[in-house]
Amino acid sequence: GQQLNQSPQSMFIQEGEDVSMNCTSSSIFNTWLWYKQDPGEGPVLLIALYKAGELTSNGRLTAQFGITRKDSFLNISASIPSDVGIYFCAGQPRGGGSQGNLIFGKGTKLSVKP
Amino acid sequence: NAGVTQTPKFQVLKTGQSMTLQCAQDMNHNSMYWYRQDPGMGLRLIYYSASEGTTDKGEVPNGYNVSRLNKREFSLRLESAAPSQTSVYFCASRLATGTYGYTFGSGTRLTVV
Repeated sequence: GQQLNQSPQSMFIQEGEDVSMNCTSSSIFNTWLWYKQDPGEGPVLLIALYKAGELTSNGRLTAQFGITRKDSFLNISASIPSDVGIYFCAGQPRGGGSQGNLIFGKGTKLSVKP
Repeated sequence: NAGVTQTPKFQVLKTGQSMTLQCAQDMNHNSMYWYRQDPGMGLRLIYYSASEGTTDKGEVPNGYNVSRLNKREFSLRLESAAPSQTSVYFCASRLATGTYGYTFGSGTRLTVV
């Protein structure tokens, strides 16, 4: 089946640092979404992208829909401690693949540098 | 505006016991989903209901059954729990298949001993 490759799997942040993560696929997607999951909670939608090349911000978060429609990027600027959690990318394949359901990456776990 | 409500939040079962996880949404969404989350495995789709009256298997349906009781409610049943079903279970809903993102509940943490 279709898969999303999300990287990195985990990373440590120091307050004030910028953070980048990405998601890639071998097939084309119509929609890219980025979610954040806090410990003990369900994922919450951060940003939704609907057009190739689209760049959308939500506060210190910026996400881009890759022009090939096979990838997406999420950047967090000037990280703060409450940014820790798991970030998931999700995509809607073109043409109704996966029975119209979203496909999720395995997540990027952000932790605070010891 | 509650969104997606899951009950219970925590549950411990003995091997072989049965239980039903409840999920309800108040957003008039048509599609509903059940996922399980295990460390390093991401979110894996168990079953989904594209619309009221329909249910379909996802990636990991074995050992589970579902019921779309009405447009609001979608329950997940474990008939004979096994330790491999120890996981965190999330219910999600969406306006319609192929549109927009999912809204997730806060999860049920299930331990089978």
